[in-house]
Amino acid sequence: ETGVTQTPRHLVMGMTNKKSLKCEQHLGHNAMYWYKQSAKKPLELMFVYSLEERVENNSVPSRFSPECPNSSHLFLHLHTLQPEDSALYLCASSQALGLAGGPVDNEQFFGPGTRLTVL
Amino acid sequence: DAKTTQPNSMESNEEEPVHLPCNHSTISGTDYIHWYRQLPSQGPEYVIHGLTSNVNNRMASLAIAEDRKSSTLILHRATLRDAAVYYCILRASGTYKYIFGTGTRLKVLA
Repeated sequence: ETGVTQTPRHLVMGMTNKKSLKCEQHLGHNAMYWYKQSAKKPLELMFVYSLEERVENNSVPSRFSPECPNSSHLFLHLHTLQPEDSALYLCASSQALGLAGGPVDNEQFFGPGTRLTVL
Repeated sequence: DAKTTQPNSMESNEEEPVHLPCNHSTISGTDYIHWYRQLPSQGPEYVIHGLTSNVNNRMASLAIAEDRKSSTLILHRATLRDAAVYYCILRASGTYKYIFGTGTRLKVLA
C-alpha cells in the first residue's frame, strides 16, 4: 500500500449504530487530519493530531470521537449520528509543524475518503 | 481566519494555458498561499504553494501579486485530466488549519 488509505470506502449506518472509520498513512508522516465534505459545502477541518496528540478540535459534536494510537493510524468513531452527518469523510497526513528544524509549512496528502450515509 | 474568493467555474480548451485567479485581500504577513485540486471521486491533491515569490513546479506555476492580495494558478497546457475543482487556501505559518472555500470548477474542452 502507498500513500493514504481509508476503509471502508462506503458505509451505510442507522442512527443508533456504532461504527468506525480507519485511516492509515504509509508516508512516514507524523501529523494526521480528519475532514468532512458535505454536498455543496467546502471541506471542513474536524480534527488534527500531531505526534499523536490532538492539536485541533474544530467544534465537532461529541458523537464523533477521534483516536490516534500511533503516527500511522487514525480512527474516527461514530455513534448516534444524524442524517445530516452523511458526507464524504477525508483523512490526510503531513509532516508535523512547529518542530525545531522542521518545516513551517508543508503539503497534506489526502486519502480517497469514506462515503458515509446515515439513515 | 483569512478567506479567499474564487470564480465558481471556468472553461478552457485542451492544450491551452489556464489562469485561475484567487483574491485574498485579508491575507496576513505569515499566511502561505496553497493550491489544491480535487478530481472527481478523489481526495484533494496538492498542486503548489508559496509565500511571496512566484513558484514553479512540474504541475503548475503560482504567480503572487506584489501586495499579496491576490494570486493566480497557471496551468501551462491544460489536459482533460486537469478537469477538477481547484481550491485556493491560506494557512498561517506553523498552523495546521486549512480553510477551504468552494473552489473553481475547471472544465477542459477537447
